[in-house]
Amino acid sequence: KNEVEQSPQNLTAQEGEFITINCSYSVGISALHWLQQHPGGGIVSLFMLSSGKKKHGRLIATINIQEKHSSLHITASHPRDSAVYICAVENTGNQFYFGTGTSLTVIP
Amino acid sequence: DVKVTQSSRYLVKRTGEKVFLECVQDMDHENMFWYRQDPGLGLRLIYFSYDVKMKEKGDIPEGYSVSREKKERFSLILESASTNQTSMYLCASSSQFTISGNTIYFGEGSWLTVV
Repeated sequence: KNEVEQSPQNLTAQEGEFITINCSYSVGISALHWLQQHPGGGIVSLFMLSSGKKKHGRLIATINIQEKHSSLHITASHPRDSAVYICAVENTGNQFYFGTGTSLTVIP
Repeated sequence: DVKVTQSSRYLVKRTGEKVFLECVQDMDHENMFWYRQDPGLGLRLIYFSYDVKMKEKGDIPEGYSVSREKKERFSLILESASTNQTSMYLCASSSQFTISGNTIYFGEGSWLTVV
């Protein structure tokens, strides 16, 4: 069972390109999370959202609750954005379900 | 700065050994989690705990046990390590009382190789 589906699995972009990563989920949620994992392991939280849109620097996250879909956008991508981006949903029981991640490589 | 600290970054153990992975958080979180991460499979929940001495099985608990004697510490135990338990193990914690969502914080991960 895959409660969270992400696409694409892998993404290569030229520096400066606009990037979109998509996430669909099938369970009821209290929040959707976007996470970033750099090589070496550590995972950090980028966004937590339950409606609408959030922006942090060049990163924008949107969610459509009715369609059970979220997108993560990166504007003016940079090589330091190269990482794995993971979509996760949190249900009302504080359980988290994770997508398998999108591996992003930004080429200078 | 909030912290989830895992005791060992890299471990190599022999088949059949008992392995302890320790995790400590300093945010007074109620919830703590142990995940396993393998290529192509994403994060899979092994066990979680929502309070001291409380534990719940996740999706892949076989071969693992956990201990939570203090709120800040959550230990993962491999009773008899096997080669198919070679993986990266991630500890995480979150609060549980915000109905609009709770940020999840991860440790740096422990890379375990069983030979």
